[in-house]
Amino acid sequence: GAGVSQSPSNKVTEKGKDVELRCDPISGHTALYWYRQRLGQGLEFLIYFQGNSAPDKSGLPSDRFSAERTGESVSTLTIQRTQQEDSAVYLCASSLVFAEQETQYFGPGTRLLVL
Amino acid sequence: SQKIEQNSEALNIQEGKTATLTCNYTNYSPAYLQWYRQDPGRGPVFLLLIRENEKEKRKERLKVTFDTTLKQSLFHITASQPADSATYLCALLTGGGNKLTFGTGTQLKVEL
Repeated sequence: GAGVSQSPSNKVTEKGKDVELRCDPISGHTALYWYRQRLGQGLEFLIYFQGNSAPDKSGLPSDRFSAERTGESVSTLTIQRTQQEDSAVYLCASSLVFAEQETQYFGPGTRLLVL
Repeated sequence: SQKIEQNSEALNIQEGKTATLTCNYTNYSPAYLQWYRQDPGRGPVFLLLIRENEKEKRKERLKVTFDTTLKQSLFHITASQPADSATYLCALLTGGGNKLTFGTGTQLKVEL
């Protein structure tokens, strides 16, 4: 079926506003990941979900960042009180099972610009 | 500190030549290493995975080597084509679980 989708594709917001980014993983994929990619830099792990297990939030940069996932479907990444340094591409990925060698399939990303 | 280093300078090569990209890491002991391709405005796409007990892995025109003593992986594209132009990222499984840590990527440009 379809790949990982993300919305919106682009988001411009003012400093201090809250934003919500959405990720629809590939159907049947139990693991879901969020990454951040700043301009000219590599991907920075933020959080991952696996089934009904507690998510690994160890990569979230501050308490302004949070994420939720409904079952094994949609996930939402929320950034509260956005700052200019939050400007980046936020990438979501999913994989079939939670296993080392399992390939991660990435969405196109949401480009966030905080003015 | 832990680092994954890829050449930040773009690699320009002529069509038909072999492109070789380098990924060096320090203070990691990864069980495996992955290579991804990323085109502008797109998410990364998985290319190859190589395990710590494998020295070399091939897929069509792609070849990856993994030297755990040198802490280095080399990524080769033979008979390169302009369509191979993209940024190539290496990634290691780190910290337990399934967290991938990515290098900053190397941009490859294949010219006619």
